[in-house]
Amino acid sequence: NAGVTQTPKFQVLKTGQSMTLQCAQDMNHEYMSWYRQDPGMGLRLIHYSVGAGITDQGEVPNGYNVSRSTTEDFPLRLLSAAPSQTSVYFCASSSQGRVTEAFFGQGTRLTVV
Amino acid sequence: AQSVSQHNHHVILSEAASLELGCNYSYGGTVNLFWYVQYPGQHLQLLLKYFSGDPLVKGIKGFEAEFIKSKFSFNLRKPSVQWSDTAEYFCAVNAKGAQKLVFGQGTRLTINP
Repeated sequence: NAGVTQTPKFQVLKTGQSMTLQCAQDMNHEYMSWYRQDPGMGLRLIHYSVGAGITDQGEVPNGYNVSRSTTEDFPLRLLSAAPSQTSVYFCASSSQGRVTEAFFGQGTRLTVV
Repeated sequence: AQSVSQHNHHVILSEAASLELGCNYSYGGTVNLFWYVQYPGQHLQLLLKYFSGDPLVKGIKGFEAEFIKSKFSFNLRKPSVQWSDTAEYFCAVNAKGAQKLVFGQGTRLTINP
C-alpha cells in the first residue's frame, strides 16, 4: 500500500533555481494539499486542490505554483527558490465527502543556499 | 479564520509520568478535531480524531483526548508515557464540511528513560 508518495526526499537548491516537488497518491482521494513545516510554526497550508483541474491558495502561497491534471498527482513548483523556502514540505490527501482524515507523505527536506 | 494554539512548545517528562498537552482553537461553528504525531524523521500519523458523539475519544498507543466545547479545547492525555512516545504532537482542526486542516504550532515531547 503506497498511500502518499513524495519525491525527492532531500534536495539542495541554489537561490533562483526552480524545481518541482512530486506528490502522488493511490487512494483515489479527491482532496490534496501541500504544507510546509518550519520549527515553532507547525504546518502551514501552501496550496490545495479539491479535484482534478481545481486548485486554490492556502495560507502561504507566494513563490509556489501547483496544478492538478489528474486525481493522483499534485506537483508543487518553486519558481525561483529563495532561502526563505528552506523547509520540510509535506503533501497530504483525503477523501472528500467523508470527514477529513488526512494521509501524509514522508516529506521533502529542501535547503536553498 | 480558524486558528489553533498549542501552548506547550516543549515538554520533558520521565517515563511513567502522566501527560497532558493543551490545544485550543478559535472557530465558532462545528468542528472536527485531530491529533497527529510525528516521530523523529517520519511523516505525520493520525493519533486520534473527534467528529461527534462522546467527547472523550481514545486513540492508538493509549492516548485519549477530551473535547470541551465550552472551552474550545481538545487536550491530549496519556496516563503513563513511555520513551517511545518521544515525538512532536500536532493538534489540527477543520470546520465541518470544509476540507482544509489548520494545524497548531506543535509540541515537542521528550521522554527521559
